[in-house]
Amino acid sequence: ETGVTQTPRHLVMGMTNKKSLKCEQHLGHNAMYWYKQSAKKPLELMFVYSLEERVENNSVPSRFSPECPNSSHLFLHLHTLQPEDSALYLCASSPAASGRTGELFFGEGSRLTVL
Amino acid sequence: GESVGLHLPTLSVQEGDNSIINCAYSNSASDYFIWYKQESGKGPQFIIDIRSNMDKRQGQRVTVLLNKTVKHLSLQIAATQPGDSAVYFCAERAGGTSYGKLTFGQGTILTVHP
Repeated sequence: ETGVTQTPRHLVMGMTNKKSLKCEQHLGHNAMYWYKQSAKKPLELMFVYSLEERVENNSVPSRFSPECPNSSHLFLHLHTLQPEDSALYLCASSPAASGRTGELFFGEGSRLTVL
Repeated sequence: GESVGLHLPTLSVQEGDNSIINCAYSNSASDYFIWYKQESGKGPQFIIDIRSNMDKRQGQRVTVLLNKTVKHLSLQIAATQPGDSAVYFCAERAGGTSYGKLTFGQGTILTVHP
C-alpha cells in the first residue's frame, strides 16, 4: 500500500461519455499530480496541484479537467475523449510543494479504455 | 533538448546475478535523479535517489551511480531475485524547480530467470 488510492482501477467509456477518475492520498502531502502512461512512452506529467492550487498544466487538452477540492483529494474529469486517450492514468503525491526532493508517491493507476 | 533515455529497453539476467540498468540524460541543469520500479499492474515505486553533488549512493542491494561528465546514470542491483522483475524508470528534475516535476525515461524491462 502506497497511501495513494485511485478509483476506479479500470474504466471503459465511449467517446461521448462523461466520467471521472478519483485519487485520495492518506499521507498528509501538500502536492498532487496526474501523470499519463501510454504504451512505449515515458510518463507524461499532466497537472500539478500544490496546496490545492493548480501550478502546472502541461498543454493538456480541455477534454481533461482536473479538480482538487482539498489537499487529500484529486479528480480528473473526462468528457468527449478520443481513442488515443486510452492509457494508464497515475495519480501521485509528494510531501511538500517545495520539497527538497522530487520523490513522488504513486497510486496504482486507473486503466482507461476509450471506445 | 531535455530528455532522459535508457540505453537498453530489455535486460534478462539469471537469479543471483548482478544487474545494471543504464540511463542517459541530456539536461546538464538537472540536480536530482531518481529510480522507480514498476511491477505489472502497479504504480511506480521509489527505489533510490541521488543529488547532483554526489556520484554514488547505496541502498539495500541497490546502488546508483552518477557520472555528470557524460550525463549518465546507472542502477546496480546485487544478487538479483525473481521479485526484481519489473520495469525500471529513471527520472530527473531540472535545477531550480520545486515540487516533483520529474522528467521520466522510457523504462527498461528487467526479467530475472530462476
